Amino acid sequence: NAGVTQTPKFRVLKTGQSMTLLCAQDMNHEYMYWYRQDPGMGLRLIHYSVGEGTTAKGEVPDGYNVSRLKKQNFLLGLESAAPSQTSVYFCASSYLRQVGNQPQHFGDGTRLSIL
Amino acid sequence: GESVGLHLPTLSVQEGDNSIINCAYSNSASDYFIWYKQESGKGPQFIIDIRSNMDKRQGQRVTVLLNKTVKHLSLQIAATQPGDSAVYFCAESVLTGGGNKLTFGTGTQLKVEL
Repeated sequence: NAGVTQTPKFRVLKTGQSMTLLCAQDMNHEYMYWYRQDPGMGLRLIHYSVGEGTTAKGEVPDGYNVSRLKKQNFLLGLESAAPSQTSVYFCASSYLRQVGNQPQHFGDGTRLSIL
Repeated sequence: GESVGLHLPTLSVQEGDNSIINCAYSNSASDYFIWYKQESGKGPQFIIDIRSNMDKRQGQRVTVLLNKTVKHLSLQIAATQPGDSAVYFCAESVLTGGGNKLTFGTGTQLKVEL
């Protein structure tokens, strides 16, 4: 049981290049999330998904796209990378909330640098 | 806008002492408050949460206190150990039909001195 796995762990891109970050979870969670973490700031929600085939915008969605074609995978895409997107990206997942709070489980992040 | 913030960016404690990490929040509509621990190079790890209608909740060596009057949240760690060294984030959650979205604070670095 690996939990939440993110690939790649590190990547350096040039401005204007595109790439896709992959998140996979093996806990059968319905909800999945993408966050970015910048120095001196907390995690900010980029996009999220409440189930297979659904996506929604979070707090900072501009410049990113996502897809959830399979329940266990959540992809984050950068179509034209910009230096402002240099950050550490975290994926998380959680159960469908029926009663109470369902903790989010995080991967170990993808460190992305845009030159 | 709504925000979750922390009073102290860095907290240093002696091994064996108790640690208290504080957090201020501004969204009175939050349903849950959650504490996460993040070790270097790792993702945040859930520690404990508290529902907004509670004042106190205890876990293993940790206690979370919620003071809704002054919108203040604290995490107490008993007998702090070197393994507790990490960044601690508070987060607030407003339960909606569109997922369990969290708003994170900026974090407090806890350093445990031997």
